[in-house]
Amino acid sequence: AQSVTQLDSQVPVFEEAPVELRCNYSSSVSVYLFWYVQYPNQGLQLLLKYLSGSTLVKGINGFEAEFNKSQTSFHLRKPSVHISDTAEYFCAVSADSGGGADGLTFGKGTHLIIQP
Amino acid sequence: NAGVMQNPRHLVRRRGQEARLRCSPMKGHSHVYWYRQLPEEGLKFMVYLQKENIIDESGMPKERFSAEFPKEGPSILRIQQVVRGDSAAYFCASSPRDSPRVGYFGAGTRLSVL
Repeated sequence: AQSVTQLDSQVPVFEEAPVELRCNYSSSVSVYLFWYVQYPNQGLQLLLKYLSGSTLVKGINGFEAEFNKSQTSFHLRKPSVHISDTAEYFCAVSADSGGGADGLTFGKGTHLIIQP
Repeated sequence: NAGVMQNPRHLVRRRGQEARLRCSPMKGHSHVYWYRQLPEEGLKFMVYLQKENIIDESGMPKERFSAEFPKEGPSILRIQQVVRGDSAAYFCASSPRDSPRVGYFGAGTRLSVL
């Protein structure tokens, strides 16, 4: 089984400042990694994903993440945030069990609060 | 190309009633996943279906909950004899056959049990 830990439940950041949202995972097999964003009363939107290849992954809205296998991390970064980035961010993993596509295991989420 | 459609968006039921939540996957997607989001918690996987097949239901409560994805029509998550603890947001995600791990989520159904 796999698990995901998002170390910060809330991250306040000033507008135009950089931000990093932390995500660590544990798994006994290879994993695929995802970041989703959820705006109030909406579903989840895929920000970016790591399936294979380059460990630096670029996503939508200027976000990027780096897969670090030795540290079992997949931290999300943005160099300059906007008010519109205020939302809940979820890190998720899917195990490469070889038999097919398992459901995602989610972290508890990080609430990103952008302050003017 | 319409996204994943879930209805209703909000559903209110009294204890003991049945709740039926519907999910129409994106066109061309053959994999459907259901997740539940309880207050102050993250999303928890419930069930993974393909057309006419339940692939993994390891996250489903053993009683009162069932899911189907028929050959024609939407996927249905059914909760019988609802209790207050079933109040949550239920999300459906669909994936294409060639990229089954990448889930595209619907807006969710928020179930309130009175």
